[in-house]
Amino acid sequence: EIVMTQSPATLSVSPGERATLSCRASQSVSNNLAWYQQKPGQAPRILIYTASTRATGIPARFSGSGSGTEFTLTISSLQSEDFAVYYCHQYNNWPWTFGQGTKVDI
Amino acid sequence: EVQLVESGGGLVQPGGSLRLSCATSGFPFSSYWMSWVRQAPGRGLEWVGNIKEDGSEQNCVDSVKGRLTISRDNAKNSLFLQMNTLRIEDTAVYYCATSGWPWYWGQGTLVTVSS
Repeated sequence: EIVMTQSPATLSVSPGERATLSCRASQSVSNNLAWYQQKPGQAPRILIYTASTRATGIPARFSGSGSGTEFTLTISSLQSEDFAVYYCHQYNNWPWTFGQGTKVDI
Repeated sequence: EVQLVESGGGLVQPGGSLRLSCATSGFPFSSYWMSWVRQAPGRGLEWVGNIKEDGSEQNCVDSVKGRLTISRDNAKNSLFLQMNTLRIEDTAVYYCATSGWPWYWGQGTLVTVSS
């Protein structure tokens, strides 16, 4: 099983600041990597897939990069609605796995 | 409008059974692999398993093999999760989702396994 490790566990930032979230895979997942946003009481929402493709309707302030084992999600200028938990997810090898999440808060 | 609506969750005793359903609309259900994903209270996400477009192939994580079975009815645009021999650690919100693109998810149904 591929283990996905996210860092940091919690990221404290202010509105308007840049946030950089990291995700590391225990072995290469090529570019089969997605990022999700989840708010309390809600289902996860897809942000990024194939490591860098924004999903439909996702604002341009969200960007993804990386390949192989190292990936980054960048939020260029945090808005109030961006405070949430973010998960990376590999779908290169079964079983598909998620990182443990990064909480972005104020 | 795309919709995935899970149902069938509830309280069940350890060792019991439950069948979850996911009714879908607004997209060509029979053209996509489908999945179940779960999230224990206050915890992260776990991909439980998936099923091929025609139902001929399924994958499940080791922790649920032999107890949880995924099936589908393409005529009714529905996905199912048969859960047997339930354990306390199966307590979670269960989501149905497409297996990857176009990344559609339902809102989830809560399964609580407790005596």
